[in-house]
Amino acid sequence: EAGVAQSPRYKIIEKRQSVAFWCNPISGHATLYWYQQILGQGPKLLIQFQNNGVVDDSQLPKDRFSAERLKGVDSTLKIQPAKLEDSAVYLCASSSLTTPQETQYFGPGTRLLVL
Amino acid sequence: AQTVTQSQPEMSVQEAETVTLSCTYDTSESDYYLFWYKQPPSRQMILVIRQEAYKQQNATENRFSVNFQKAAKSFSLKISDSQLGDAAMYFCAYRSATYSGAGSYQLTFGKGTKLSVIP
Repeated sequence: EAGVAQSPRYKIIEKRQSVAFWCNPISGHATLYWYQQILGQGPKLLIQFQNNGVVDDSQLPKDRFSAERLKGVDSTLKIQPAKLEDSAVYLCASSSLTTPQETQYFGPGTRLLVL
Repeated sequence: AQTVTQSQPEMSVQEAETVTLSCTYDTSESDYYLFWYKQPPSRQMILVIRQEAYKQQNATENRFSVNFQKAAKSFSLKISDSQLGDAAMYFCAYRSATYSGAGSYQLTFGKGTKLSVIP
């Protein structure tokens, strides 16, 4: 079974530029998550999708971040314009169910550096 | 809001020895799940072990076991017979088991403990 795929693995941009990250979850997984992991901290949930609908985006900075999951499979996370404090690893995860005991499977992440 | 605290930023252990990583959490809920995730240098996080708050018995997965103290809100991870491949960041995480609207099942992570294994 293929794992969660993310691209690119690394991205360097200047502040005020825009950037997009892509995630392909495990086949058949209905739930998809985007996390932000700042250096020295644990991951923080940005947005959760169930199929192609948003379940929770309460911690997504909507003035600059946006995400979509067309057709309930792949997802993209966009930042526009980027700020220095957006430098972090962006992790995508997926799970087959939305239950509290479910296992979330994580991708390798995209490391973003904003200069 | 729930919080998860890992008080040990870094730990080290000799190969084949045993190490315990600490985690405490704060919640007013009675039903929840606790997790330990491992994040190796390649950064792909994987689940190590899971514990349901209502289960008295401590979870065990091969060389990994937990000491769950519900009253003390403590959830430590013990790694026995440490191996070089155990070197990683370890994150403790909390998840409510009670649905109360959007975000109910959100995973709340601690800041992590970096474990080094000395050959």
